Amino acid sequence: GQQVMQIPQYQHVQEGEDFTTYCNSSTTLSNIQWYKQRPGGHPVFLIQLVKSGEVKKQKRLTFQFGEAKKNSSLHITATQTTDVGTYFCAASTGTASKLTFGTGTRLQVTL
Amino acid sequence: GAGVSQTPSNKVTEKGKYVELRCDPISGHTALYWYRQSLGQGPEFLIYFQGTGAADDSGLPNDRFFAVRPEGSVSTLKIQRTERGDSAVYLCASSLGVGDPAQETQYFGPGTRLLVL
Repeated sequence: GQQVMQIPQYQHVQEGEDFTTYCNSSTTLSNIQWYKQRPGGHPVFLIQLVKSGEVKKQKRLTFQFGEAKKNSSLHITATQTTDVGTYFCAASTGTASKLTFGTGTRLQVTL
Repeated sequence: GAGVSQTPSNKVTEKGKYVELRCDPISGHTALYWYRQSLGQGPEFLIYFQGTGAADDSGLPNDRFFAVRPEGSVSTLKIQRTERGDSAVYLCASSLGVGDPAQETQYFGPGTRLLVL
C-alpha cells in the first residue's frame, strides 16, 4: 500500500529558530494536506496543496508541493512556543476520500 | 458553527466486550470518515461514507469492526469482541463532499479514547 514518510521524526528548536518537515511518497499524489496536532488534541487542518510546484503561505508557515507531486514540505519561520505539536502530512492518490497520513514530525520549542 | 463531535470522549471496556462509538459530523457535510490513531503514530484510515453508504471500507482491520450511517448524518463505529490491541484513539472527520478539492478538507472531531483491559 501507499506509504508516506516524514522526516525528521522529532525536532527541538529554540524559539526564533526556523523549522522544516519533509514528506515523501513513493507514488504520485493527487493532493496533499497538512495537519497540526497539539499534545492531547486532534488533527487540525492547515492547508491543501493540489498543483505541481505549488507554494502557499500562511503567516510564518510556508507549504510546498514538489514538481513531481511526490513530496512536500512545511517550513516555519521564527518558531514560537505556540507552534509546539506534531505536524502531519496526509496524502491522497485519488479523491481525498482516503487519506494516508505520514509518520508525523513532533516539534518542541523552548525559550 | 459546531464542529465534529464524538461520544464518549473516553471508553474503558474489558476484553471480549462490544462497544459503540458515535460521531456527529458538521451539519451539511455529506462525507464522513473514521480513523484510528495509536500512540505516537499518525491517524490510520478505517472507513469512509458518502451519504448513507460506505464508499470505502478497505481500512477496517477485520470483521469485528463495522460502521453505519443510516440517515446520512450521525455515524456509529461498532467493535465486537474487543481485544487489547484495539486500544487507540478513534477519530471521526467530515467534509463537505468529495470530487472537488475545495470540498474535501477533512475536519476532525476530538476523538474517543478507547482502552480495552
